[in-house]
Amino acid sequence: NAGVTQTPKFQVLKTGQSMTLQCAQDMNHNSMYWYRQDPGMGLRLIYYSASEGTTDKGEVPNGYNVSRLNKREFSLRLESAAPSQTSVYFCASSVRRNQPQHFGDGTRLSIL
Amino acid sequence: AQSVTQLDSQVPVFEEAPVELRCNYSSSVSVYLFWYVQYPNQGLQLLLKYLSGSTLVKGINGFEAEFNKSQTSFHLRKPSVHISDTAEYFCAVSDEDGGSQGNLIFGKGTKLSVKP
Repeated sequence: NAGVTQTPKFQVLKTGQSMTLQCAQDMNHNSMYWYRQDPGMGLRLIYYSASEGTTDKGEVPNGYNVSRLNKREFSLRLESAAPSQTSVYFCASSVRRNQPQHFGDGTRLSIL
Repeated sequence: AQSVTQLDSQVPVFEEAPVELRCNYSSSVSVYLFWYVQYPNQGLQLLLKYLSGSTLVKGINGFEAEFNKSQTSFHLRKPSVHISDTAEYFCAVSDEDGGSQGNLIFGKGTKLSVKP
C-alpha cells in the first residue's frame, strides 16, 4: 500500500550542485505533479505530466527540469541549485488531471 | 481562470468547540471541489470531495462540507474538534470536464489550532 513514494526525504546541497528528486506511484495513475511548499505561499505547481510521455510547465518552472520516465515514475531535477530553491517538495498523482491527487510525504531540501 | 480563496489564514479554537473553515472559489465552468488536510511534517491527505450529487459531503474524521453554487463556496465544518485536528487545511477546485485548466487549483491554506 505504498501510494506515492518520494526519495530522498531530506537533502542538504551547496549552491551550484545538482540533484534529482525521485517519485514513484503504484496506483496506475495517469497524471503526476511536482509542487513546492513554502511558508505563507501554499502549494505552487512546478511541473506536471498529464499522461505518460507528456510534461508541461506549472506556475514556477524556472530552475527545474522533469522527466516522466514511465507511467510510474516522475523525477524532478535541479541543475544548479540556488538558495531560493530551499523548500519542501511534494510529488502527487491522480487518475486524471481534474481528479483527487494523492501526495507523497515530501522531500525537505536545504540549499546553502 | 479558476481561483480559490481561503478567507482565514489561521483559526484558533478550543477543544470540543465547533469550527468552520471558509473557502470561496471563482470559475466560469462547473467544478469539482476538494478539502485536504496536512499534519505537521506530512504530505496532504484528502479529507473529502464534491464531484456531483448531494451538496453536503461527509469526509473522514467527522468533517463535512457543503457546496453552495450560488455563493460559490465550499466551507468545511466540524461540530466538535479535538486536539488531534490541529493541522493545515487546503481547499482546492478543478474543472469538471478536465479541460485546459484541468489541474487542481489550491488555496493558500488555513492553519487550525485547537487549544485545550
